[in-house]
Amino acid sequence: SAVISQKPSRDICQRGTSLTIQCQVDSQVTMMFWYRQQPGQSLTLIATANQGSEATYESGFVIDKFPISRPNLTFSTLTVSNMSPEDSSIYLCSARGTGQFTEAFFGQGTRLTVV
Amino acid sequence: GESVGLHLPTLSVQEGDNSIINCAYSNSASDYFIWYKQESGKGPQFIIDIRSNMDKRQGQRVTVLLNKTVKHLSLQIAATQPGDSAVYFCAESSVWAGSYQLTFGKGTKLSVIP
Repeated sequence: SAVISQKPSRDICQRGTSLTIQCQVDSQVTMMFWYRQQPGQSLTLIATANQGSEATYESGFVIDKFPISRPNLTFSTLTVSNMSPEDSSIYLCSARGTGQFTEAFFGQGTRLTVV
Repeated sequence: GESVGLHLPTLSVQEGDNSIINCAYSNSASDYFIWYKQESGKGPQFIIDIRSNMDKRQGQRVTVLLNKTVKHLSLQIAATQPGDSAVYFCAESSVWAGSYQLTFGKGTKLSVIP
């Protein structure tokens, strides 16, 4: 199993600003993902963070709004840009091995409130 | 795309009873399924998984059943305890898509009555 550390764990931000969330895994992993979870709802995939190349975004999410970096096999960042109150949510980092039948591990999440 | 904004369904169970949480999935090509438990303020935690070539798998106090014919997954928790109170999500993946991403179900909130 992998241990994933996310920071910050929570933040309150002013609208129009940006926040960068960091995700550190305690071992090298092939796959890293970023999810959004709005209160009382399920997890929605934002993007797959690709090491050494641009992230792969899901429908409804764009790079200008959610730029992602992945400089190596243990670290990734997600930036929420030009925030509005609608961006208030929990953002979760996840990591998974390349085996076909391997579970994904999650960080504890970053609870973002935009005021 | 985003999930529809609905409140999570809730299952209330008496302590000591068995719990059954159900999940319907949509992708007939999915070949791997996972149940996660999410406690308040925490990230999802792996409970148990099952591959599509199986229809049942047991863990400690938990059993997952898979019915591919009707695309249905269930999680059974034996002798439910207060510490089992959480939101439970099923997740599916399909290697044929080539991305190893997980798609999550809507979730069920389990409340254990002491």
